[in-house]
Amino acid sequence: DADVTQTPRNRITKTGKRIMLECSQTKGHDRMYWYRQDPGLGLRLIYYSFDVKDINKGEISDGYSVSRQAQAKFSLSLESAIPNQTALYFCATSGASAYEQYFGPGTRLTVT
Amino acid sequence: GQQVMQIPQYQHVQEGEDFTTYCNSSTTLSNIQWYKQRPGGHPVFLIQLVKSGEVKKQKRLTFQFGEAKKNSSLHITATQTTDVGTYFCAGYKFSGGYNKLIFGAGTRLAVHP
Repeated sequence: DADVTQTPRNRITKTGKRIMLECSQTKGHDRMYWYRQDPGLGLRLIYYSFDVKDINKGEISDGYSVSRQAQAKFSLSLESAIPNQTALYFCATSGASAYEQYFGPGTRLTVT
Repeated sequence: GQQVMQIPQYQHVQEGEDFTTYCNSSTTLSNIQWYKQRPGGHPVFLIQLVKSGEVKKQKRLTFQFGEAKKNSSLHITATQTTDVGTYFCAGYKFSGGYNKLIFGAGTRLAVHP
């Protein structure tokens, strides 16, 4: 869905580097999420935000931080990347609790 | 750990055969959603089930939500090559004051012509 965009789409970085993944949405949704996808493990929630002033940790937040710069923008940072953070990262939005989520195209991150 | 279990992890069928994936939760779910992710793509919402025992159909796809709201299934009749992808169930569980969406690990479907 073009309504949710992620940049970059692919990134290769080295261990110890700081990296930021960005997500923007034009759906007007208040709720935004960051997920990580690994083969065989499905989608695991890293952080979620219900509005600009409400940010919450998900099940695997260690090693990650987020910033909600505006209703439409939610960025994910890896302060010091490590190889086991190599994964596919998805941003998602939803309109309200228990509603469907709309996913961005994903960012494939490789940490060497 | 994983609170929503999904089986099988992978299934390979011949075109025209049926396919079913099952989703089980250790706790009662508020509702359950199903998503499809095509190879190289992102998850796309298919449907949401809310009521105990609910059954919904979308053309060749049939979705069921168990009576106890702890399990769900997706059945595809007469698979086509366009059905290829990974199917995820995701259950909403009320925890810590919020409804949290918990994904199963997914079932990857391969369809051979």
